[in-house]
Amino acid sequence: EDQVTQSPEALRLQEGESSSLNCSYTVSGLRGLFWYRQDPGKGPEFLFTLYSAGEEKEKERLKATLTKKESFLHITAPKPEDSATYLCAVHTTSGTYKYIFGTGTRLKVLA
Amino acid sequence: GEEVAQTPKHLVRGEGQKAKLYCAPIKGHSYVFWYQQVLKNEFKFLISFQNENVFDETGMPKERFSAKCLPNSPCSLEIQATKLEDSAVYFCASSGGFLETQYFGPGTRLLVL
Repeated sequence: EDQVTQSPEALRLQEGESSSLNCSYTVSGLRGLFWYRQDPGKGPEFLFTLYSAGEEKEKERLKATLTKKESFLHITAPKPEDSATYLCAVHTTSGTYKYIFGTGTRLKVLA
Repeated sequence: GEEVAQTPKHLVRGEGQKAKLYCAPIKGHSYVFWYQQVLKNEFKFLISFQNENVFDETGMPKERFSAKCLPNSPCSLEIQATKLEDSAVYFCASSGGFLETQYFGPGTRLLVL
């Protein structure tokens, strides 16, 4: 069965303290892996799409990387406004066209 | 429009009542998806459409849930005879193509009392 696991469940960082969030997946075949940010009471906001192992994407303080088993979202020198839940989703080759989501990492950045 | 729109933002229903949620996808997007988000960020896929055709309905509890995407109208998700466990946030997403990124709306928070 296709599965997506995110760790840690929650993370508290001081402003400027860099860290990484993990998304590991066990799927029959990967079409794409997606990172989203979700603020309380809002819908997921798209961050990155990764399609193949070795691929990297960057946006401001965020960098996403992909291997054959997992993806990392690296946050460099975070600011309080980076506080949110970060969700990972995969689109697999089994079944049809739907995302399988991880349960997210709740990030809190303290000033 | 440039964003996925969902209405209403909040919906309160007594157990056994009907609930109807609406979604307008991004203009030009041909795929629409419905997800249910319950406790601890768990997203459950419900159904997807390609234009007005059902693409994948493997997540739908068919006894009480139904959905439609008709031309020139918002898509809808209807729950007949709501139950307490239907309380959740329902998200709609749309994408422009089969492998393209899904963009999410702000969600409808359904509370069944």
